[in-house]
Amino acid sequence: DAGITQSPRHKVTETGTPVTLRCHQTENHRYMYWYRQDPGHGLRLIHYSYGVKDTDKGEVSDGYSVSRSKTEDFLLTLESATSSQTSVYFCAISESWTGDEQYFGPGTRLTVT
Amino acid sequence: SQQGEEDPQALSIQEGENATMNCSYKTSINNLQWYRQNSGRGLVHLILIRSNEREKHSGRLRVTLDTSKKSSSLLITASRAADTASYFCATDGNNRLAFGKGNQVVVIP
Repeated sequence: DAGITQSPRHKVTETGTPVTLRCHQTENHRYMYWYRQDPGHGLRLIHYSYGVKDTDKGEVSDGYSVSRSKTEDFLLTLESATSSQTSVYFCAISESWTGDEQYFGPGTRLTVT
Repeated sequence: SQQGEEDPQALSIQEGENATMNCSYKTSINNLQWYRQNSGRGLVHLILIRSNEREKHSGRLRVTLDTSKKSSSLLITASRAADTASYFCATDGNNRLAFGKGNQVVVIP
């Protein structure tokens, strides 16, 4: 497995609270991604990063923010969690460009009550 | 945005049989990729086929790409119980990969 870890792996939180998910890689890959996976929707891109401090929005970015202060860490923040953000969140990395093969972390299951 | 769409959505086969999945997409691509996801796990990259390639093999996997029809197929030969998983195609474009909704494959021992 590529060296990608996600924390926490499971989290239950209440509506309106902020939540931060962490992705950590040991591969020194330039690109990092956050996806959410929901039944019937497949995998949808939230945000991605193409370098330290360089990020861009994906197709479902509303309600989410990201930060990347180091090559190895990519944080996803839900500013005020809502029940619609209950999902499984996956981090992924790729080496050279966004169309390259991606390596995925184990996922974080988030439940917003 | 372009998106891979797999067909069929669910497939149940006996161990030893072949499994075939199809994927269609809408716009031009540089490459098309297939991923596997076992229950409760992250996606694992299986194979990448470039737009100028028509067929590619990797072990028991065979992928074809028809850019004129904007479609791809993934064939798993001599299936095993361990091949039970969801399979996703992904196409590149607009600086991102667009994933299909996935095919669930169940291999019955």
